[in-house]
Amino acid sequence: GIQVEQSPPDLILQEGANSTLRCNFSDSVNNLQWFHQNPWGQLINLFYIPSGTKQNGRLSATTVATERYSLLYISSSQTTDSGVYFCAVGKAGSARQLTFGSGTQLTVLP
Amino acid sequence: SAVISQKPSRDICQRGTSLTIQCQVDSQVTMMFWYRQQPGQSLTLIATANQGSEATYESGFVIDKFPISRPNLTFSTLTVSNMSPEDSSIYLCSGGTAKGEQYFGPGTRLTVT
Repeated sequence: GIQVEQSPPDLILQEGANSTLRCNFSDSVNNLQWFHQNPWGQLINLFYIPSGTKQNGRLSATTVATERYSLLYISSSQTTDSGVYFCAVGKAGSARQLTFGSGTQLTVLP
Repeated sequence: SAVISQKPSRDICQRGTSLTIQCQVDSQVTMMFWYRQQPGQSLTLIATANQGSEATYESGFVIDKFPISRPNLTFSTLTVSNMSPEDSSIYLCSGGTAKGEQYFGPGTRLTVT
């Protein structure tokens, strides 16, 4: 099956700092989503971005499908950004199932 | 965005018993999925819930252990059968839209003692 690798596995930032999270995948995809899992376990949709660039407030994401990677940018981080960030991909022809990466644990210190 | 609800939100169960988790999605959803998240781990797909027919299970998951029903377009259940402490996990239901985007319910935190 498709492999999804996220880096870094852990990231500790001071409030106000910027960060970049990376997601590499091993095959062509027609679906890529970024999620934030908050400390209560809820998965929050951040971006649906199989290709191109999107921005939503302090967050933005870029997927370069031909090179099989996606980046999530967090600017001016806040303590509420803490949690686990997951990248999940869907392979073309896979009945829309998602394969998740192992996640990046982000801790933002006040 | 789609709205996904799930219950119970958490439960503590005795080994050897079974628990049924319910998931309700709104009308934007065309596909439904069940995932497991073991402590400190990522999400793993258990199965795709098919309306009116048997679910499609991923490698390592079997119907006898995780029977799934989807009697209509917006409702599905997952049963965790004959539970052992290794089944302690968060179980999540998701709904996929026609575009392919998935939305997740709040999850069910299961502890087996």
